[in-house]
Amino acid sequence: SQTIHQWPATLVQPVGSPLSLECTVEGTSNPNLYWYRQAAGRGLQLLFYSVGIGQISSEVPQNLSASRPQDRQFILSSKKLLLSDSGFYLCAWSQGRDRSSNQPQHFGDGTRLSIL
Amino acid sequence: AQKITQTQPGMFVQEKEAVTLDCTYDTSDPSYGLFWYKQPSSGEMIFLIYQGSYDQQNATEGRYSLNFQKARKSANLVISASQLGDSAMYFCAMREGLWNAGNMLTFGGGTRLMVKP
Repeated sequence: SQTIHQWPATLVQPVGSPLSLECTVEGTSNPNLYWYRQAAGRGLQLLFYSVGIGQISSEVPQNLSASRPQDRQFILSSKKLLLSDSGFYLCAWSQGRDRSSNQPQHFGDGTRLSIL
Repeated sequence: AQKITQTQPGMFVQEKEAVTLDCTYDTSDPSYGLFWYKQPSSGEMIFLIYQGSYDQQNATEGRYSLNFQKARKSANLVISASQLGDSAMYFCAMREGLWNAGNMLTFGGGTRLMVKP
C-alpha cells in the first residue's frame, strides 16, 4: 500500500532563517506531488505541484520554492523565512499518468511551522 | 468568484443525529469531480467520498453520503448517526476537467463540525 511521510511534524524558526521541509511517498511510482499551506482555521492554498522529476509548477508567487530531486521526493524550501510564512504545511500525492477525475489526493500528517 | 463555497463556518449536531454540510461549486467545465475531506484536530486530511459529474447516483461510503444536485451546483455531505469522533473540519474540493494532468483540487474554506454528547 502507498504511504506518505512528511517531516518534521513541528518547526520553530526565526525570521530570515532558511527552511527545508521534506516529503516522500512509498508504494507508487511517478506520483503527482503537491505542497499546500493552511492558515489557522482556513482552507488549503496550493503552493506547488509536480507531475515528474524536476517539473515544478508554482501557483502562488512567494519566497518559497519547491524541488523534486527524485521520483517520490518533494522538498519545500526558503532561503529567508518571513513572519507570514507561518502556517500548517501539507504534502499530498495522487496517482500520476491517471487522468481519470476520480483520483483523490492523499495527504501527509503536515508540518506546523512557527516563525518568531 | 469562489469556485468552492462552504457557507457554514461552524455547526453543532447532537450525537446519533444526522447532519448536512453544505457545498456549492462554480465551474463551466462539464467534466468535474467533487471530493470531501475530514481534518481532525491532529491535522491530517482524510479522504471521505467522491462524486463525479457524470455519476447518475449519489455517492455513499458507510455513514457518509453526498446529496448531489447538479443543476443547483451543490454537493452537500450528509453524515448519518453522528459520533463524537466526527468532530472535525470538513472540506469540499473540486477537480475540473476530464484530462486534468496535474489532478489539481480547489478547496473550500471548510466547516467545523462539533458533535455534542
